[in-house]
Amino acid sequence: SQTIHQWPATLVQPVGSPLSLECTVEGTSNPNLYWYRQAAGRGLQLLFYSVGIGQISSEVPQNLSASRPQDRQFILSSKKLLLSDSGFYLCAWNPDSNYGYTFGSGTRLTVV
Amino acid sequence: KQEVTQIPAALSVPEGENLVLNCSFTDSAIYNLQWFRQDPGKGLTSLLLIQSSQREQTSGRLNASLDKSSGRSTLYIAASQPGDSATYLCAVKGQAGTALIFGKGTTLSVSS
Repeated sequence: SQTIHQWPATLVQPVGSPLSLECTVEGTSNPNLYWYRQAAGRGLQLLFYSVGIGQISSEVPQNLSASRPQDRQFILSSKKLLLSDSGFYLCAWNPDSNYGYTFGSGTRLTVV
Repeated sequence: KQEVTQIPAALSVPEGENLVLNCSFTDSAIYNLQWFRQDPGKGLTSLLLIQSSQREQTSGRLNASLDKSSGRSTLYIAASQPGDSATYLCAVKGQAGTALIFGKGTTLSVSS
């Protein structure tokens, strides 16, 4: 069966520090991978999605970037965090864009 | 641009009641619609996925319907239990290559 892992679960970082969140999927190959952010009082916002290694599409221009160095690994990064980057970050996958999405357990990021 | 609205934003019911959560979307050209559950501080758990050609899906005490032409979906929960307390999110998948668009959710509280 397929599983999705995200880490860390929680993170407190100072303004201006770098960020690296990791997501991996097991039990499948060539998944579509997604990064979403859920800010307090707002809905889920798609940040990035990837249909293959090295293929990244950005939905919202911002202080973040994403990379897919391996087939089942998706990384969300920032060189310098802003207070507005605080939120709940969720990774998701599906085998094809028209299939249902499966989400990870999320990372709670607080920028102080 | 697809917009997803969920009404009500919050709902409180006593245990044992049957209830309906509503979801509406502005663009009827969808591939599928997915209902999720989110417990506080947790990731999203997929409940039901309805393809555009389907009218409903059932899983245990849950039944989701889809009326694509009117841009509506309902999630029916039978014989509600305190363990059903969570936020329920509706999301639609538009044409190929587009993101899963979420509503802001309905927060359900079931009292014993």
